[in-house]
Amino acid sequence: DIQMTQSPSSLSASVGDRVTITCRASQSINNYLNWYQQKPGEAPKVLIYAASSLQSGVPSRFSGSGSGTDFTLTISSLQPEDFATYYCQQGNSFPFTFGPGTKVDIK
Amino acid sequence: DVQLVETGGGLIQPGGSLRLSCAASGFTVSNNYMTWVRQAPGKGLEWVSVIHSGGSTYYADSVKGRFTISRDNPKNTLYLQMNSLRVDDTAVYYCARGHYIHTSGFQPAPSNAFDMWGQGTMVTVSS
Repeated sequence: DIQMTQSPSSLSASVGDRVTITCRASQSINNYLNWYQQKPGEAPKVLIYAASSLQSGVPSRFSGSGSGTDFTLTISSLQPEDFATYYCQQGNSFPFTFGPGTKVDIK
Repeated sequence: DVQLVETGGGLIQPGGSLRLSCAASGFTVSNNYMTWVRQAPGKGLEWVSVIHSGGSTYYADSVKGRFTISRDNPKNTLYLQMNSLRVDDTAVYYCARGHYIHTSGFQPAPSNAFDMWGQGTMVTVSS
């Protein structure tokens, strides 16, 4: 099975900060990497699919990059509604797997 | 309105069985790939199972042989039959729809992301 790791596991940031979250796969997943945002008590919401494609309706301050095993989610200017937990997910091969999550909270 | 609504969760004893339902509206379940994802209390997301439009199914190792994903096309509903339940199956169970990449001149291709999710249903396995 492909293992997914994320760093950091949590971070504190201020509104307006640039935030970068890293996701690493245990083997190449090509660009089958997706990013989700989850707020407490809510279902996850897809932000980025295929490593770098912005899902319809998602603000352009979110961006994704990477290929192979190393990927990055960047929030260019953190907004109050962005405080949440972020997960990466590989869709290259079964079983699909999620990263452990990165919690972004208010500094 | 396009939505997914899960039902069927509850409290069940270890070793018991439960069937979760996920009713879809605004789109056709059988034309899409659909998945179940779970989240134990205070923990991260765990992928459980997927069914493709053609009917092929895949499972996480942790549920293989115990859980079965299926769908009822006339009812436009996805199911998860869960047998031999264990304490560590306790979680919120979400159903979700698979996302397709649309490129002009090409058939839509699955991205293997999930773009629409239900609100989740809680399953508690405890004696």
